[in-house]
Amino acid sequence: DAMVIQNPRYQVTQFGKPVTLSCSQTLNHNVMYWYQQKSSQAPKLLFHYYDKDFNNEADTPDNFQSRRPNTSFCFLDIRSPGLGDAAMYLCATSRGGLGTSVMDTQYFGPGTRLTVL
Amino acid sequence: SQQGEEDPQALSIQEGENATMNCSYKTSINNLQWYRQNSGRGLVHLILIRSNEREKHSGRLRVTLDTSKKSSSLLITASRAADTASYFCATDDSGYSTLTFGKGTMLLVSP
Repeated sequence: DAMVIQNPRYQVTQFGKPVTLSCSQTLNHNVMYWYQQKSSQAPKLLFHYYDKDFNNEADTPDNFQSRRPNTSFCFLDIRSPGLGDAAMYLCATSRGGLGTSVMDTQYFGPGTRLTVL
Repeated sequence: SQQGEEDPQALSIQEGENATMNCSYKTSINNLQWYRQNSGRGLVHLILIRSNEREKHSGRLRVTLDTSKKSSSLLITASRAADTASYFCATDDSGYSTLTFGKGTMLLVSP
């Protein structure tokens, strides 16, 4: 089945120790997103790739970076995790399309829960 | 960008009852979507309603959209314990290619 996969599902890191979360998709979608979701809050968009074009949200901290080496994979790098970065990180995809300005459905992975000790 | 605001924040009902959740937003949109999130999991798309539509149905779900009031409602009929989850509305700002999620309504359906 076509899907969005996130690894690992649970990640524990130490304060200040770099960590990478991964996302892969078999949907062949153009757009990939990373969201941060803290307990009982709305998912907050960090950045997204439209194909190879990287789009950073204005309030995303510099501590967060992303890479998309090919259509299928996208990575979230947290350079120096702080206690406030403990959250669920959600990857999502959407079809996108040339000339499309209307948002279509997003497909989410199961998330990676990050704990910072 | 704008954010949808859902109310109520939490809703507790018995199986078989209907559940209604509301969402308000601030600026013009192309479409509005509803998503469900089970505890500790990713979001699942439920339904999309475009700005030129007023009502849409999908199984036990009914969504309405009132662009003049900038509001939407999600009705779940004949609720089941498996409907227990958080429900989020999401809007796209016209001209942007991203969604902004509201804070969500946490629904608890008791057997």
